[in-house]
Amino acid sequence: GNSVTQMEGPVTLSEEAFLTINCTYTATGYPSLFWYVQYPGEGLQLLLKATKADDKGSNKGFEATYRKETTSFHLEKGSVQVSDSAVYFCALSATGFQKLVFGTGTRLLVSP
Amino acid sequence: DTGVSQDPRHKITKRGQNVTFRCDPISEHNRLYWYRQTLGQGPEFLTYFQNEAQLEKSRLLSDRFSAERPKGSFSTLEIQRTEQGDSAMYLCASGRRGGAETQYFGPGTRLLVL
Repeated sequence: GNSVTQMEGPVTLSEEAFLTINCTYTATGYPSLFWYVQYPGEGLQLLLKATKADDKGSNKGFEATYRKETTSFHLEKGSVQVSDSAVYFCALSATGFQKLVFGTGTRLLVSP
Repeated sequence: DTGVSQDPRHKITKRGQNVTFRCDPISEHNRLYWYRQTLGQGPEFLTYFQNEAQLEKSRLLSDRFSAERPKGSFSTLEIQRTEQGDSAMYLCASGRRGGAETQYFGPGTRLLVL
């Protein structure tokens, strides 16, 4: 079946450090890929998405590139801020299906 | 755009009681989804509606669970004879039909079954 695997957290970084959160997927066909973020006490928010191979999604300084050859969608940011502390979820929506399949989430903690 | 709203935000109940949650989607969205999230896990799909039709149900949705969207607007999720294992965050999301649609999530209803 379709699945998403994320690196385990927490990821602890100092402000202005480079961030990578790994995400790989298993799916039939050509899924769409998403990163959602959950800030403390808030609901899930879409951070970025990509709908086909080699697409790059970007938002708020975060980027992720849809790599079909490695079935990956790693999240990156060049310089994190304390306000980026949150839980990040990688997700996919398989071709012809509507539901999202989520990874287990990766908690990011950024210290000043 | 007022966003997706859910009510109540928190619910504590005793095992064996019935509970009902409500979700109001973004007004122009014709798709509505329910997910369940337990501590330390990602959300898991339960069911979804397109307008008033329930098009898919997960095997996670036992006979004790029922969802409705009677007029294609708000939706309710009812859990009968609650069990301690039902304790979780119940999330609602809405979206508009179309390729690679974005799902917009509500704040969730946190259920605790004692």
